[in-house]
Amino acid sequence: QSVLTQPPPASGTPGQKVTISCSGSNSNIGSNSVHWYQQLPGTAPKLLIYSNNQRPSGVPDRFSGSKSGTSASLAISGLQSEDEADYYCAAWDDSLNGWVFGGGTKLTVL
Amino acid sequence: EVQLVESGGGLVQPGGSLRLSCAASGFTFSDHYFDWVRQAPGKGLEWVGRIRNKANSYITEYAASVKGRFTISRDDSKNSLYLQMNSLKTEDTAVYYCARVIGTGRGWFDPWGQGTLVIVSS
Repeated sequence: QSVLTQPPPASGTPGQKVTISCSGSNSNIGSNSVHWYQQLPGTAPKLLIYSNNQRPSGVPDRFSGSKSGTSASLAISGLQSEDEADYYCAAWDDSLNGWVFGGGTKLTVL
Repeated sequence: EVQLVESGGGLVQPGGSLRLSCAASGFTFSDHYFDWVRQAPGKGLEWVGRIRNKANSYITEYAASVKGRFTISRDDSKNSLYLQMNSLKTEDTAVYYCARVIGTGRGWFDPWGQGTLVIVSS
C-alpha cells in the first residue's frame, strides 16, 4: 500500500488530454514539493516534472503539473503513442523522514 | 554526458549479503546527495535510503524496511556510490536504482541509473 494514492490505470486516444492524480497528506504533499517520473516499458524512471510544475529541458510542454493542498496532478495534452508508460508521483514525507511514491499509473494510448 | 551505472546485482540466498555499486560520470560527484530506490518485479518504486555530501557530513538516512540491514557509502575520489545489503530477505528482490539528487534534501532525482537486479532466493 503506497503512501501516495494514484489511480492504477489511465487511458486515452491520440490527441486527447489525460490527467493523473496523486493524493497524499499534510506530512508529504501538503508540506513539500511533488515530483513526477515517467518509466517507459523496460527502462529506468526519468524525471518528468519537478517542484510541482517545472519541466526539465527536453520534456515537451504537453506535460504539465500542478499541486493544491494535499493533492497533485499531472496533465498530458495532445496524447501520443510514445507517452505509453508508468507515471509516478513522489514527495518527501516529514513524518517518515523519507521519500514516498505513488503506486504508479499505467497510461495506455488506445 | 551525465551518467550513473549500477553493478553488482545477482542471485543471493536469504540471509546473505551483496554489495551494489553505482559509478558516476559527467558531473561533479562530490557536490551531490545520492539515493537508492528499488522496484520489486511488477511493482512500484520504493525509496531505500540516501547519503548526503561531504558538506553535510555524509549523513545517511534509510527506509524503515532496510534500516539496520543496509548501509550506503560513497567514495568521492572514485565517483562511486555503494549499497551494502546484509541479512537479505526474499522481499528485498528488486531492481535497485541509484539516483542523483538535484538541490538539497527535498530535491528531485535526475538522472537515474539503469538499475541492477537483485534476486533473493534459495
